[in-house]
Amino acid sequence: GAVVSQHPSRVICKSGTSVKIECRSLDFQATTMFWYRQFPKQSLMLMATSNEGSKATYEQGVEKDKFLINHASLTLSTLTVTSAHPEDSSFYICSAQKQGVEEAFFGQGTRLTVV
Amino acid sequence: QKEVEQNSGPLSVPEGAIASLNCTYSDRGSQSFFWYRQYSGKSPELIMSIYSNGDKEDGRFTAQLNKASQYVSLLIRDSQPSDSATYLCAVAPNQAGTALIFGKGTTLSVSS
Repeated sequence: GAVVSQHPSRVICKSGTSVKIECRSLDFQATTMFWYRQFPKQSLMLMATSNEGSKATYEQGVEKDKFLINHASLTLSTLTVTSAHPEDSSFYICSAQKQGVEEAFFGQGTRLTVV
Repeated sequence: QKEVEQNSGPLSVPEGAIASLNCTYSDRGSQSFFWYRQYSGKSPELIMSIYSNGDKEDGRFTAQLNKASQYVSLLIRDSQPSDSATYLCAVAPNQAGTALIFGKGTTLSVSS
């Protein structure tokens, strides 16, 4: 199989604090991971592409200093939402690709609420 | 810009009927196509992949691909209320390590 585990599944934080979300590929090495954001009843929005050992590539309009991505190993990528504000409240989802395979496998998602 | 288009729906079908979901894509060079199912409040789940023209069947699901028409479809036979979800069509760009291009999804509602 291809299992991607994302943690935490839900988090509530105070405005101005930072939140870290982890994405792990459990049974394969993920050369590339992707981070998405999804607002209620809207489509997936790609935020950034993360490659192991290199800097993430951010989509236009996504603040790289606010959404810090680290892909330190072939099985772990993290997204840190810094200085969170209520408008950052959303569903954040990671996905991972095996080398040479095009389909993406998604983590369970993280529901972030900033109060 | 490479695009994937889907009708947003909702598509409403009665239990036991065939649901037909359609998708068109703009990049004629695309070779790999996927259907994901997303339940409300959950992340997408891969249900079908298709790479060659024609039909591919997996249980109650049939994916159909027509590269000449740049058209992908998903048929769900004997639709069940548990099939009610948003179905996302995705196309792989011809570049390794790049994200799938997703359509906005079609919401399917199966009534019992």
